[in-house]
Amino acid sequence: AQRVTQPEKLLSVFKGAPVELKCNYSYSGSPELFWYVQYSRQRLQLLLRHISRESIKGFTADLNKGETSFHLKKPFAQEEDSAMYYCALTTNAGKSTFGDGTTLTVKP
Amino acid sequence: DTEVTQTPKHLVMGMTNKKSLKCEQHMGHRAMYWYKQKAKKPPELMFVYSYEKLSINESVPSRFSPECPNSSLLNLHLHALQPEDSALYLCASRDRGPADTQYFGPGTRLTVL
Repeated sequence: AQRVTQPEKLLSVFKGAPVELKCNYSYSGSPELFWYVQYSRQRLQLLLRHISRESIKGFTADLNKGETSFHLKKPFAQEEDSAMYYCALTTNAGKSTFGDGTTLTVKP
Repeated sequence: DTEVTQTPKHLVMGMTNKKSLKCEQHMGHRAMYWYKQKAKKPPELMFVYSYEKLSINESVPSRFSPECPNSSLLNLHLHALQPEDSALYLCASRDRGPADTQYFGPGTRLTVL
């Protein structure tokens, strides 16, 4: 069975500081990994996925198969980045598992 | 239309009632999902439909009955629910493969009295 672990429930940084949200996974197959974000009073939406290797809103994430990690990083956090972030894994059968989420607060 | 819609937004039902949740998408996506989300918890997968066929059932109690009448619609029929079934029920769709993004609806807030 697959598992996604986000060790930090809460993360608080000051505006302009770097931020890293950790995500580790376990899955015997080849995973599809995603970061989803939920801003206040909005629906869950995709932030980025490992297969596209793009930077969205200044965030990047690299899949490290050796360490089974998919950490989310941004060099300079902004107040509008405050939100709940979920790391998610989808198996090749289409089954999706979410981590417990990290609430990021960016202080002015 | 690039949205997933869900109705109703809120639902209050008694333990003996029968009700249904509805989800719709017009993006031509071929996979649709039902999730249950309790407060301060992540979405928990319930069912996956792929090409209108049930492909994943995460051992959900039979009081929850999914239905996919066509490629744009997904229903969740509810019967004899328990108070612990109160939660936000999310629908999502994705295009085809597991690498594709899931698009989420806003959810239906269900309260079982």
